[in-house]
Amino acid sequence: AQSVDQPDAHVTLSEGASLELRCSYSYSAAPYLFWYVQYPGQSLQFLLKYITGDTVVKGTKGFEAEFRKSNSSFNLKKSPAHWSDSAKYFCALEGGGSNAKLTFGKGTKLSVKS
Amino acid sequence: GPKVLQIPSHQIIDMGQMVTLNCDPVSNHLYFYWYKQILGQQMEFLVNFYNGKVMEKSKLFKDQFSVERPDGSYFTLKIQPTALEDSAVYFCASRGTVAEQFFGPGTRLTVL
Repeated sequence: AQSVDQPDAHVTLSEGASLELRCSYSYSAAPYLFWYVQYPGQSLQFLLKYITGDTVVKGTKGFEAEFRKSNSSFNLKKSPAHWSDSAKYFCALEGGGSNAKLTFGKGTKLSVKS
Repeated sequence: GPKVLQIPSHQIIDMGQMVTLNCDPVSNHLYFYWYKQILGQQMEFLVNFYNGKVMEKSKLFKDQFSVERPDGSYFTLKIQPTALEDSAVYFCASRGTVAEQFFGPGTRLTVL
């Protein structure tokens, strides 16, 4: 079985601060990990992924994430945060294979105040 | 970037009726998915589809659900008959050879 936990339902910070959204996972083998962002009324937009190799991956919109196998985490980071980053962020895991499904966390709603 | 289209954006139907949700995936993609999102909750996997066949389905993919992609046209999710608990936003996704799924804008289904 595979699962993803995003422990923070809401995160609020001020523009210019550093943001870090937490994600941990449970999976018996090597996971593929993803971050997606969802703006109100819109679909999911891909931010970044970790498949293998460098444990720090950079994505779109200035985001990066660090894969830490030791504590099964894949936290999303950005500095500085901008008010336009306000959205809901989903961490997801894929178990590999060409047709593998995504298992999502419950999401973290980020509010960046200007 | 690549776009997945979904038709319609909203659908309101009476319980017991049939509904078909349509997805136009990215043109060269071969793997197709449906996910269900109840308001404010996480996205949950329903089914994936490749080479004309269902590869995996979750427990949410009830017997009343079916998927197909006839002749490379729309990838469809059909629910017959619908139930109140089917009210949700349904997202289609497609994937090519890289491990990245592209999502459509969703169809909001309301079952009365």
